[in-house]
Amino acid sequence: AQSVTQLGSHVSVSEGALVLLRCNYSSSVPPYLFWYVQYPNQGLQLLLKYTTGATLVKGINGFEAEFKKSETSFHLTKPSAHMSDAAEYFCAVSEGFQKLVFGTGTRLLVSP
Amino acid sequence: EAQVTQNPRYLITVTGKKLTVTCSQNMNHEYMSWYRQDPGLGLRQIYYSMNVEVTDKGDVPEGYKVSRKEKRNFPLILESPSPNQTSLYFCASSPGDFSGNTIYFGEGSWLTVV
Repeated sequence: AQSVTQLGSHVSVSEGALVLLRCNYSSSVPPYLFWYVQYPNQGLQLLLKYTTGATLVKGINGFEAEFKKSETSFHLTKPSAHMSDAAEYFCAVSEGFQKLVFGTGTRLLVSP
Repeated sequence: EAQVTQNPRYLITVTGKKLTVTCSQNMNHEYMSWYRQDPGLGLRQIYYSMNVEVTDKGDVPEGYKVSRKEKRNFPLILESPSPNQTSLYFCASSPGDFSGNTIYFGEGSWLTVV
């Protein structure tokens, strides 16, 4: 079965600093990988996804992630954090056709 | 506007009192699913449906029922709720299977069972 590990339940950065949220996955087949963001009291919104092709994937709000097969990683980055980026971020991997397997989430805190 | 709508958004109920959380999507999606979100556990799938009258168990189906009589609706039924079902619930839909398609989530339903 596929699984996802997100390192760090909380990540704190200063406004303007680099954001790096880590995600490692295990999958027995070529994976489809996703990052979702959850703002307070809202549902999950897709940030970006990797299915095939280019391994560097650009998403909304200036986020990007790179699929590294050799490291089984799909880390999320943003060059400069904004206060509005404060949210919880979930990495996920497809397991067959019937579901996504989610990591436990990383809460991003942005300080002025 | 494309959306997944859940009701109620907030509910406090008592142990054993049957309840239904409704879910409706206006995107003509075939795939729908229910997840629950618990601190430290992320989101776990309860049930999913690939089309009308086609449903199957996810990872944590115990204590829940679903039905898919119409394409747009996918209600979650708790026949006899217990305190361990206190959680945040999300309904989701997708235009195709969940392997690579974008999944659209509702805003969530906070359920407390006392």
